[in-house]
Amino acid sequence: DAGVIQSPRHEVTEMGQEVTLRCKPISGHNSLFWYRQTMMRGLELLIYFNNNVPIDDSGMPEDRFSAKMPNASFSTLKIQPSEPRDSAVYFCASSPRTGEEQYFGPGTRLTVT
Amino acid sequence: DAKTTQPPSMDCAEGRAANLPCNHSTISGNEYVYWYRQIHSQGPQYIIHGLKNNETNEMASLIITEDRKSSTLILPHATLRDTAVYYCIARGHFGNEKLTFGTGTRLTIIP
Repeated sequence: DAGVIQSPRHEVTEMGQEVTLRCKPISGHNSLFWYRQTMMRGLELLIYFNNNVPIDDSGMPEDRFSAKMPNASFSTLKIQPSEPRDSAVYFCASSPRTGEEQYFGPGTRLTVT
Repeated sequence: DAKTTQPPSMDCAEGRAANLPCNHSTISGNEYVYWYRQIHSQGPQYIIHGLKNNETNEMASLIITEDRKSSTLILPHATLRDTAVYYCIARGHFGNEKLTFGTGTRLTIIP
């Protein structure tokens, strides 16, 4: 199994630009999560999906952030427009079934200048 | 989810058992204890979880006290690759997807 796949691994962009992060969960997993990690705030859950449906987006910081899961094998997290304070490592994770352990991807390191 | 308390850092000699404590005195009856770790520059990695019985897998053992107010993660023969931040999380299992990560314990394995 390839594990959770995220792309790109690194992204450097200028303030105001649109950023799209991509995630492919482990095949057969029905839950998908987006987290953000910074030195100041640690690891925070942004949003999660069950069976491709967004269940809880209370962690999404602002309307500039949006996430979609068009099918069971793909999800995107979009930031538009990006700001320097969005600089962080963004992790995607998937889980086999509701409430079970989560498997994390390698993360995307985003730098907004 | 119940709050958990962990020491900020620990050292352990290579080849020895690493014992990482966690306090969760307000844990409720349906909350599991989960352990994850994060090696530098990688995503968090699931290690083990349990409800009230002790658990063991290929990575570690989890010892939960009878009153469930604390637990210990044991890495039986620590290697340098076990150097990481270890997170203890109390979490309701069914119907609760959220993992709330605290600050964890930074474990350093000393050669």
